[in-house]
Amino acid sequence: QAGLAQPPSVSKGLRQTATLTCTGNSNNVGNQGAAWLQQHQGHPPRLLFYMNNNRPSGISERFSASRSGNTASLTITGLQPEDEADYYCSAWDSSLSARVFGGGTKLTVL
Amino acid sequence: QVHLVQSGAEVKKPGASVKVSCKASGYIFTGYYIHWVRQAPGQGLEWIGRINPNNGATNYAQNLQARVTVTRDTSVSTVYMELSRLRPADTAVYYCARVGLGGAFGDFWGQGTLVTVSS
Repeated sequence: QAGLAQPPSVSKGLRQTATLTCTGNSNNVGNQGAAWLQQHQGHPPRLLFYMNNNRPSGISERFSASRSGNTASLTITGLQPEDEADYYCSAWDSSLSARVFGGGTKLTVL
Repeated sequence: QVHLVQSGAEVKKPGASVKVSCKASGYIFTGYYIHWVRQAPGQGLEWIGRINPNNGATNYAQNLQARVTVTRDTSVSTVYMELSRLRPADTAVYYCARVGLGGAFGDFWGQGTLVTVSS
């Protein structure tokens, strides 16, 4: 099953800004909207954004998300040690009638 | 408040089946889709399937479709995921996740259930 493309790893310094990307196609990210999930080791994922840029209550405003064409982006400003985690994007694929995930990006805060 | 509580860890032999449950509380059970997602050790998230608890309609990942069945029991607000003909590669943590209002996939997650397949 075709998945979404994410860079395996990103490293940034404390208080810097990280932008993570997620590339799909017109059947998923392009018209169904992307979700972003954060996962710390040993814990279930946590929803950061849904339908491209909708932030659930309780998610810090240091996190923002957007979409351009078939690529979704997650930006984290003022990086903190607790932001070090795995980040996954996901979208419903209308041609597969299935949910697809990216392989995840491991964010390291130096 | 919303809770999804999953059944406990399982150890199975290759060829056996496993059935994991996900009990929902704190919201109207029939109003929100439930998805199943798994994560093999050290790996990423993999979608298994979903169910509409209102009518029982399901969709499954193509690579698991022949072996997975997702059902629900509205009388106890519980969704079940059964995986048959288990193989060692099915060893993973299995999660249930709710889709909230506005298509909020994964607004709430179960705690995860470790399924180990080993001879």
